[in-house]
Amino acid sequence: DADVTQTPRNRITKTGKRIMLECSQTKGHDRMYWYRQDPGLGLRLIYYSFDVKDINKGEISDGYSVSRQAQAKFSLSLESAIPNQTALYFCATGRGGLAGGSGTGELFFGEGSRLTVL
Amino acid sequence: DQQVKQNSPSLSVQEGRISILNCDYTNSMFDYFLWYKKYPAEGPTFLISISSIKDKNEDGRFTVFLNKSAKHLSLHIVPSQPGDSAVYFCAAREGTYKYIFGTGTRLKVLA
Repeated sequence: DADVTQTPRNRITKTGKRIMLECSQTKGHDRMYWYRQDPGLGLRLIYYSFDVKDINKGEISDGYSVSRQAQAKFSLSLESAIPNQTALYFCATGRGGLAGGSGTGELFFGEGSRLTVL
Repeated sequence: DQQVKQNSPSLSVQEGRISILNCDYTNSMFDYFLWYKKYPAEGPTFLISISSIKDKNEDGRFTVFLNKSAKHLSLHIVPSQPGDSAVYFCAAREGTYKYIFGTGTRLKVLA
């Protein structure tokens, strides 16, 4: 089983609908992230969370909200989806500490959720 | 303004030869640099990293070089293999939590 699991993997919805993407992890990491990937734009940070009570906006948070229900769960919501939110969304986890805790400072990514807004 | 730039969207290399992927950054506060590989329909996977206090880190066929004065890092893959064909992202870390990614370079290794 994957350490970082995203659901759904694929979703097609209509403009104005509310959508939730869910992420769960078994790595025991305290930090969780949501990124969005668009062609030619790389991975852009939407929101990140250090723990259940600490949630922070990233560079493109407008139109999105998040909820950290538990240390292992971090969900991303689009309250009223619009076509330019069509993208591939990734959840990632990491440890705290000066060097990311793991010694190499990396993030661990889920397999992605492809969202299409018509 | 992009703080991490990968100016080559694609690169083709013959199998067995060296692949060199480049990345430039603008923020001198970045303390850690990472390379990720991404296959279609999968999430990015960590490949190799380097601390800002070092200028080289090697792991098997993969070597990352950091030139702080030029704000430039590169990933060398030697020898390149067809299985290395993927999109490669460089990333830079500011503080202990903020990771900024480049736009990616698609590497194609020709058999």
